[in-house]
Amino acid sequence: SYELTQPSSVSVSPGQTARITCSGDVLAKKYARWFQQKPGQAPVLVIYKDSERPSGIPERFSGSSSGTTVTLTISGAQVEDEADYYCYSAADNNVVFGGGTKLTVL
Amino acid sequence: QVQLQESGPGLVKPSQTLSLTCTVSGGSISSGSYYWSWIRQPAGKGLEWIGRIYTSGSTNYNPSLKSRVTISVDTSKNQFSLKLSSVTAADTAVYYCARDSSGSVFDWGQGTLVTVSS
Repeated sequence: SYELTQPSSVSVSPGQTARITCSGDVLAKKYARWFQQKPGQAPVLVIYKDSERPSGIPERFSGSSSGTTVTLTISGAQVEDEADYYCYSAADNNVVFGGGTKLTVL
Repeated sequence: QVQLQESGPGLVKPSQTLSLTCTVSGGSISSGSYYWSWIRQPAGKGLEWIGRIYTSGSTNYNPSLKSRVTISVDTSKNQFSLKLSSVTAADTAVYYCARDSSGSVFDWGQGTLVTVSS
């Protein structure tokens, strides 16, 4: 099996840029996705194929990839972006989630 | 728009089998190319992938749960199901079903809490 590692928390002020990283060997050969989860709600896909944004997701959400690390960037973070964020990847008929990062915007 | 809804017992006794069903509405479970997945989340913790079944019927399971998990599809009812055997308190979690296109589509059910307790 393989693992994806995320920081447990990231904190920014409103309007600043938030960056959340996800690292794992599988990311060098497979795409990552990012999910946003707010308290009491099901997760929502915000990035797929490392950097693609599903319809309806604000442009301030972007993704990038370099080697074994992918990064979710929220440009001009807003209070409503405060949530848990999980990276995800699939390889060899297996799927793994990162441990999650709590983003605080205040 | 496809919607997913989990259903099943909210309380399961230790050593018994947890059984959940996901009902799909707004689209056929046998059309398109999708993974129909189960994911769980213990209270205050992260997401854990349990397994998935492809439109073709092939299945993939989390290696750590593989010996206890079965995922199946009932196309006549537009449902797919999860069975997890020999449960313990560690299996207490919110269980989500989901539809995954491997691309831009990843639809989730609202989740259902299953507690393992005697």
